[in-house]
Amino acid sequence: ETGVTQTPRHLVMGMTNKKSLKCEQHLGHNAMYWYKQSAKKPLELMFVYSLEERVENNSVPSRFSPECPNSSHLFLHLHTLQPEDSALYLCASSPSWQGGQEQFFGPGTRLTVL
Amino acid sequence: AQSVAQPEDQVNVAEGNPLTVKCTYSVSGNPYLFWYVQYPNRGLQFLLKYITGDNLVKGSYGFEAEFNKSQTSFHLKKPSALVSDSALYFCAVRDRDDYKLSFGAGTTVTVRA
Repeated sequence: ETGVTQTPRHLVMGMTNKKSLKCEQHLGHNAMYWYKQSAKKPLELMFVYSLEERVENNSVPSRFSPECPNSSHLFLHLHTLQPEDSALYLCASSPSWQGGQEQFFGPGTRLTVL
Repeated sequence: AQSVAQPEDQVNVAEGNPLTVKCTYSVSGNPYLFWYVQYPNRGLQFLLKYITGDNLVKGSYGFEAEFNKSQTSFHLKKPSALVSDSALYFCAVRDRDDYKLSFGAGTTVTVRA
């Protein structure tokens, strides 16, 4: 968890709000990821970025919009969310998306959509 | 396609006893295999991984795992569990030719004093 920070740690929003989640990694990694974690379900990969280029948009609804301005920062912009989007959103980074390197995770943002 | 199964939602052991958390996987090619642990209100922490070579992998906090290709398993073990090992454990697999890391649903480990 050390080396990857996420803000805010908790977020409550209405369905008509627009908010953003921020992730920053201090590890010099080239790949960054967004995951959704819901109770009793496997982590769901949402987006993958490699050197600021999106590698994958894993069939995520357009109400989630990622942004990677540089290799250290990753954002997830949220708008018109649904209550079922309430979950823990985890950011991760790795030296590269290739090879056998492990991913380093941030503490997550607990999102509640009312 | 790749997938991971963790057949036990919960594992309960007494402190000092051996701990095993089971994981089986499915990939079309050769796998990279990982174990992560998650404590309450925290992100996932890396424990260990299998890339190649020796089938027995040693990791953090006294954990180890054995890669068994014929059984497509990668069970996590610790010879003597501690109360502080109580947490949520995730197994993950990635095909060497793919970027996507697939996780199991997790196993909650409770170690009682």
